[in-house]
Amino acid sequence: GAVVSQHPSRVICKSGTSVKIECRSLDFQATTMFWYRQFPKKSLMLMATSNEGSKATYEQGVEKDKFLINHASLTLSTLTVTSAHPEDSSFYICSAPLPGGHGYTFGSGTRLTVV
Amino acid sequence: KQEVTQIPAALSVPEGENLVLNCSFTDSAIYNLQWFRQDPGKGLTSLLLIQSSQREQTSGRLNASLDKSSGRSTLYIAASQPGDSATYLCAVRSQGAGKSTFGDGTTLTVKP
Repeated sequence: GAVVSQHPSRVICKSGTSVKIECRSLDFQATTMFWYRQFPKKSLMLMATSNEGSKATYEQGVEKDKFLINHASLTLSTLTVTSAHPEDSSFYICSAPLPGGHGYTFGSGTRLTVV
Repeated sequence: KQEVTQIPAALSVPEGENLVLNCSFTDSAIYNLQWFRQDPGKGLTSLLLIQSSQREQTSGRLNASLDKSSGRSTLYIAASQPGDSATYLCAVRSQGAGKSTFGDGTTLTVKP
């Protein structure tokens, strides 16, 4: 079935550095990719929507310059957390609509810890 | 703006019991509703997807129902097992919106 592969699954970085998270759609093309953030014991909050070939659409309150999103091809979307700070520590998950409108498939998530 | 609520936030049951998880949403103009399972520190696993034209979907011991008019969906788990312990999330995709709105989830613990 249609799968989104997300890497890395876990990353620890120092404050001030940047971290890139990749999501690749396998066996299908994802013209749209959704990026979510999840705080402990809370639901997923949509951060932004990436569209292949155009600029990402960010949700209110999400810093565009801090969370850089690039949808370079029909199978790859990346989220870069720039100048990371401890408060950016969270669980980040990407999601792509399944072909035919049959819901969504999710990446396995990335646990980011900024020390 | 769509709002999704899941009650209860946590549920603990003995093994073998049948149980129901609830999901309510404020805007009935939905495209579909999807139930997910999330294990601690893990990503999401899709369980069931109900299109707006459907009333229910079944997969194994799971049955999800949808009542758009009342803005409610339920996830029924039959003969619960310890392996069912996880957080269950419902996500509602509103008409005209590509994104989904998630509830905060129900954390289920099934005791052996």
